[in-house]
Amino acid sequence: GAVVSQHPSWVICKSGTSVKIECRSLDFQATTMFWYRQFPKQSLMLMATSNEGSKATYEQGVEKDKFLINHASLTLSTLTVTSAHPEDSSFYICSALKTSGGAVEQYFGPGTRLTVT
Amino acid sequence: QKEVEQDPGPLSVPEGAIVSLNCTYSNSAFQYFMWYRQYSRKGPELLMYTYSSGNKEDGRFTAQVDKSSKYISLFIRDSQPSDSATYLCAMKLLGNEKLTFGTGTRLTIIP
Repeated sequence: GAVVSQHPSWVICKSGTSVKIECRSLDFQATTMFWYRQFPKQSLMLMATSNEGSKATYEQGVEKDKFLINHASLTLSTLTVTSAHPEDSSFYICSALKTSGGAVEQYFGPGTRLTVT
Repeated sequence: QKEVEQDPGPLSVPEGAIVSLNCTYSNSAFQYFMWYRQYSRKGPELLMYTYSSGNKEDGRFTAQVDKSSKYISLFIRDSQPSDSATYLCAMKLLGNEKLTFGTGTRLTIIP
Protein backbone atom coordinates (compact mmCIF):
# COMPACT_ATOMS: atom_id res chain seq x y z
CA GLY A 1 0.00 0.00 0.00
CA ALA A 2 0.88 3.65 0.32
CA VAL A 3 0.35 6.32 2.94
CA VAL A 4 -1.29 9.69 2.52
CA SER A 5 -1.48 12.03 5.47
CA GLN A 6 -3.48 15.18 6.11
CA HIS A 7 -2.90 17.97 8.54
CA PRO A 8 -4.67 19.09 10.58
CA SER A 9 -7.13 16.31 11.27
CA TRP A 10 -9.59 18.76 12.81
CA VAL A 11 -9.73 22.53 12.70
CA ILE A 12 -12.14 25.12 14.03
CA CYS A 13 -11.99 28.62 12.63
CA LYS A 14 -14.03 31.77 12.84
CA SER A 15 -16.16 32.99 9.97
CA GLY A 16 -14.20 35.20 7.62
CA THR A 17 -10.81 33.70 8.32
CA SER A 18 -8.78 31.40 6.08
CA VAL A 19 -7.58 27.91 6.85
CA LYS A 20 -4.97 25.77 5.11
CA ILE A 21 -5.14 22.00 4.88
CA GLU A 22 -2.11 19.94 3.87
CA CYS A 23 -2.07 16.65 2.00
CA ARG A 24 1.15 14.65 1.85
CA SER A 25 2.11 11.41 0.14
CA LEU A 26 4.56 9.96 2.64
CA ASP A 27 6.21 7.11 0.75
CA PHE A 28 5.65 7.89 -2.90
CA GLN A 29 5.61 10.80 -5.28
CA ALA A 30 2.33 12.02 -6.67
CA THR A 31 2.06 14.34 -9.64
CA THR A 32 -1.71 14.28 -9.26
CA MET A 33 -3.78 14.68 -6.13
CA PHE A 34 -7.50 15.17 -5.71
CA TRP A 35 -9.50 17.15 -3.18
CA TYR A 36 -12.94 15.98 -2.10
CA ARG A 37 -15.59 17.35 0.22
CA GLN A 38 -17.95 15.15 2.16
CA PHE A 39 -20.99 16.43 4.04
CA PRO A 40 -22.51 14.30 6.81
CA LYS A 41 -24.13 11.13 5.50
CA GLN A 42 -23.32 12.12 1.94
CA SER A 43 -20.84 10.91 -0.59
CA LEU A 44 -17.49 12.31 -1.55
CA MET A 45 -17.78 15.11 -4.07
CA LEU A 46 -14.73 15.91 -6.15
CA MET A 47 -13.74 19.54 -5.81
CA ALA A 48 -10.57 19.79 -7.86
CA THR A 49 -7.63 17.99 -9.38
CA SER A 50 -4.26 19.19 -8.15
CA ASN A 51 -1.35 18.85 -10.57
CA GLU A 52 2.24 19.32 -9.49
CA GLY A 53 3.76 22.40 -11.07
CA SER A 54 0.59 23.61 -12.75
CA LYS A 55 -2.78 25.12 -11.96
CA ALA A 56 -5.46 23.02 -10.37
CA THR A 57 -8.51 21.99 -12.35
CA TYR A 58 -11.77 22.73 -10.56
CA GLU A 59 -15.06 20.90 -10.92
CA GLN A 60 -18.12 22.77 -12.05
CA GLY A 61 -19.60 24.85 -9.27
CA VAL A 62 -16.44 25.01 -7.15
CA GLU A 63 -15.12 28.53 -6.66
CA LYS A 64 -11.42 28.54 -7.46
CA ASP A 65 -10.87 31.87 -5.70
CA LYS A 66 -12.39 30.52 -2.53
CA PHE A 67 -10.66 27.14 -2.52
CA LEU A 68 -7.02 27.80 -3.37
CA ILE A 69 -4.96 24.77 -4.28
CA ASN A 70 -1.18 24.68 -4.45
CA HIS A 71 0.73 21.55 -5.49
CA ALA A 72 4.26 22.84 -5.04
CA SER A 73 6.07 19.51 -4.75
CA LEU A 74 5.61 15.88 -5.68
CA THR A 75 4.58 15.02 -2.14
CA LEU A 76 2.54 18.00 -0.98
CA SER A 77 -0.69 19.66 -2.02
CA THR A 78 -2.46 22.31 0.03
CA LEU A 79 -6.05 23.47 0.05
CA THR A 80 -6.76 26.90 1.50
CA VAL A 81 -10.35 27.77 2.29
CA THR A 82 -10.46 31.56 2.11
CA SER A 83 -12.99 33.73 3.93
CA ALA A 84 -14.57 30.66 5.42
CA HIS A 85 -18.27 30.60 6.24
CA PRO A 86 -20.31 28.14 8.30
CA GLU A 87 -21.58 26.47 5.12
CA ASP A 88 -17.96 25.52 4.36
CA SER A 89 -17.97 23.28 7.41
CA SER A 90 -17.36 19.81 6.06
CA PHE A 91 -14.99 16.86 5.91
CA TYR A 92 -12.24 17.50 3.37
CA ILE A 93 -10.42 14.47 2.01
CA CYS A 94 -7.47 14.35 -0.35
CA SER A 95 -6.19 11.48 -2.43
CA ALA A 96 -2.97 10.91 -4.31
CA LEU A 97 -2.27 8.88 -7.42
CA LYS A 98 0.54 6.37 -7.25
CA THR A 99 1.88 4.97 -10.50
CA SER A 100 3.69 1.66 -10.26
CA GLY A 101 4.54 -0.65 -13.12
CA GLY A 102 1.97 0.95 -15.39
CA ALA A 103 -0.82 0.61 -12.83
CA VAL A 104 -2.38 3.69 -11.26
CA GLU A 105 -3.81 3.47 -7.77
CA GLN A 106 -5.53 6.18 -5.75
CA TYR A 107 -4.83 6.41 -2.04
CA PHE A 108 -6.89 8.55 0.32
CA GLY A 109 -5.86 10.61 3.27
CA PRO A 110 -7.64 10.35 6.63
CA GLY A 111 -9.56 13.58 6.09
CA THR A 112 -9.74 16.96 7.79
CA ARG A 113 -12.84 18.05 9.63
CA LEU A 114 -13.41 21.79 9.26
CA THR A 115 -15.83 23.60 11.52
CA VAL A 116 -16.48 27.28 10.85
CA THR A 117 -18.14 29.16 13.68
CA GLN B 1 -30.81 11.58 -11.66
CA LYS B 2 -27.49 10.92 -9.98
CA GLU B 3 -24.83 9.18 -12.00
CA VAL B 4 -24.38 6.58 -9.29
CA GLU B 5 -27.19 5.45 -6.99
CA GLN B 6 -26.60 3.62 -3.75
CA ASP B 7 -29.01 2.85 -0.94
CA PRO B 8 -27.70 4.78 2.06
CA GLY B 9 -29.12 2.30 4.55
CA PRO B 10 -28.56 1.95 7.41
CA LEU B 11 -28.23 -1.80 7.11
CA SER B 12 -27.94 -3.98 10.21
CA VAL B 13 -27.20 -7.70 10.04
CA PRO B 14 -26.18 -10.30 12.62
CA GLU B 15 -22.59 -11.46 12.83
CA GLY B 16 -21.84 -14.29 10.42
CA ALA B 17 -24.49 -13.28 7.89
CA ILE B 18 -23.84 -12.63 4.22
CA VAL B 19 -24.07 -8.95 3.35
CA SER B 20 -25.07 -7.71 -0.08
CA LEU B 21 -24.38 -4.12 -1.08
CA ASN B 22 -25.35 -2.69 -4.45
CA CYS B 23 -25.00 0.28 -6.74
CA THR B 24 -26.59 1.22 -10.02
CA TYR B 25 -25.22 3.71 -12.48
CA SER B 26 -26.37 5.54 -15.56
CA ASN B 27 -23.18 6.18 -17.53
CA SER B 28 -22.44 3.14 -19.66
CA ALA B 29 -18.94 4.47 -20.33
CA PHE B 30 -17.73 3.60 -16.83
CA GLN B 31 -15.12 0.86 -17.13
CA TYR B 32 -13.56 0.52 -13.69
CA PHE B 33 -15.49 -0.23 -10.55
CA MET B 34 -14.35 -0.01 -6.97
CA TRP B 35 -15.61 -0.57 -3.46
CA TYR B 36 -14.25 1.47 -0.59
CA ARG B 37 -14.73 1.04 3.13
CA GLN B 38 -14.86 4.16 5.27
CA TYR B 39 -14.81 4.12 9.04
CA SER B 40 -16.28 7.07 10.88
CA ARG B 41 -14.21 10.23 10.44
CA LYS B 42 -11.58 8.44 8.36
CA GLY B 43 -10.65 8.43 4.71
CA PRO B 44 -11.90 5.70 2.35
CA GLU B 45 -9.89 2.50 2.07
CA LEU B 46 -9.90 0.53 -1.18
CA LEU B 47 -11.42 -2.94 -0.81
CA MET B 48 -12.03 -4.19 -4.33
CA TYR B 49 -11.11 -3.03 -7.82
CA THR B 50 -12.62 -4.58 -10.92
CA TYR B 51 -12.49 -3.88 -14.61
CA SER B 52 -15.59 -4.37 -16.78
CA SER B 53 -18.07 -7.18 -16.18
CA GLY B 54 -17.43 -10.24 -14.07
CA ASN B 55 -16.64 -11.39 -10.57
CA LYS B 56 -13.64 -10.89 -8.34
CA GLU B 57 -13.05 -12.56 -5.01
CA ASP B 58 -10.68 -11.54 -2.23
CA GLY B 59 -11.03 -13.41 1.01
CA ARG B 60 -14.49 -12.81 2.41
CA PHE B 61 -15.27 -10.17 -0.20
CA THR B 62 -16.69 -10.73 -3.67
CA ALA B 63 -17.33 -7.96 -6.17
CA GLN B 64 -19.66 -8.43 -9.12
CA VAL B 65 -20.13 -6.18 -12.11
CA ASP B 66 -22.96 -6.50 -14.61
CA LYS B 67 -22.40 -3.84 -17.24
CA SER B 68 -25.45 -4.85 -19.25
CA SER B 69 -27.64 -3.94 -16.27
CA LYS B 70 -25.36 -1.15 -15.02
CA TYR B 71 -25.33 -2.83 -11.64
CA ILE B 72 -22.50 -3.68 -9.27
CA SER B 73 -22.50 -5.60 -6.03
CA LEU B 74 -20.26 -6.33 -3.08
CA PHE B 75 -20.81 -9.45 -1.00
CA ILE B 76 -19.30 -9.94 2.42
CA ARG B 77 -19.30 -13.49 3.76
CA ASP B 78 -19.06 -14.42 7.42
CA SER B 79 -19.54 -10.78 8.41
CA GLN B 80 -17.70 -9.55 11.48
CA PRO B 81 -18.37 -6.61 13.82
CA SER B 82 -15.17 -5.05 12.46
CA ASP B 83 -16.89 -4.86 9.06
CA SER B 84 -19.20 -2.20 10.49
CA ALA B 85 -18.49 0.88 8.38
CA THR B 86 -19.80 2.86 5.44
CA TYR B 87 -19.24 1.16 2.09
CA LEU B 88 -18.91 3.37 -0.96
CA CYS B 89 -19.00 2.24 -4.55
CA ALA B 90 -17.00 4.26 -7.04
CA MET B 91 -16.36 4.10 -10.73
CA LYS B 92 -14.28 5.76 -13.37
CA LEU B 93 -13.87 6.09 -17.10
CA LEU B 94 -11.10 4.56 -19.15
CA GLY B 95 -8.07 6.84 -19.09
CA ASN B 96 -9.53 9.14 -16.44
CA GLU B 97 -8.59 8.89 -12.78
CA LYS B 98 -11.52 10.95 -11.50
CA LEU B 99 -13.80 8.86 -9.34
CA THR B 100 -17.57 9.14 -9.15
CA PHE B 101 -18.85 7.88 -5.83
CA GLY B 102 -22.15 6.51 -4.63
CA THR B 103 -23.71 7.92 -1.48
CA GLY B 104 -22.37 5.08 0.66
CA THR B 105 -24.25 2.43 2.66
CA ARG B 106 -23.85 2.46 6.41
CA LEU B 107 -23.46 -1.13 7.61
CA THR B 108 -23.62 -2.40 11.18
CA ILE B 109 -22.78 -5.99 12.08
CA ILE B 110 -24.47 -6.96 15.31
CA PRO B 111 -22.45 -9.33 17.53
